[in-house]
Amino acid sequence: QQQVKQSPQSLIVQKGGISIINCAYENTAFDYFPWYQQFPGKGPALLIAIRPDVSEKKEGRFTISFNKSAKQFSLHIMDSQPGDSATYFCAASITGNTPLVFGKGTRLSVIA
Amino acid sequence: DAGITQSPRHKVTETGTPVTLRCHQTENHRYMYWYRQDPGHGLRLIHYSYGVKDTDKGEVSDGYSVSRSKTEDFLLTLESATSSQTSVYFCAISEFREVYGYTFGSGTRLTVV
Repeated sequence: QQQVKQSPQSLIVQKGGISIINCAYENTAFDYFPWYQQFPGKGPALLIAIRPDVSEKKEGRFTISFNKSAKQFSLHIMDSQPGDSATYFCAASITGNTPLVFGKGTRLSVIA
Repeated sequence: DAGITQSPRHKVTETGTPVTLRCHQTENHRYMYWYRQDPGHGLRLIHYSYGVKDTDKGEVSDGYSVSRSKTEDFLLTLESATSSQTSVYFCAISEFREVYGYTFGSGTRLTVV
């Protein structure tokens, strides 16, 4: 059973466009939702994270939107740049250092 | 930077041989994790540790064992390597730097032939 479902698997966006990646979860006990960015040959790196007490969090061009009732959260990358081309993972966990459960990842390509 | 080092970075081994991957951290973090990354599967938890000699299984623990005899080292052993264990293995620690999150090592690419 996949606890965190991520879509799409791959995404191609024009430079300057908006990239949107969606995730859905089943476990209502999850209360921490981070996004990770991974470049080829590197380990994933924390990009941005949100908790269910807020519906949106913005850091620069990256925004997480959170819909608790729908059990969904999404990553929006505004003004997408070729340097944003990477694999993005959503994840979820229960606070208290329970291990993160990851989505399967989205490979984003931003083309000029 | 959490100072996580994984070794080796690359390894080719034969089916049936035991293999040990090492994760070393320099900042005394309590929690450490081993994940494997495979195309189409994302990152899946193998084992994790919440202290010296304290470990627990993850989603895909069959065929793997771990040991943590000191805080800084978390070892992952493939007891008898199989081709299905060909993967990229990542170690991670959890830490709080403005926000809580994982810091991953650079990974070990393991090929079982």
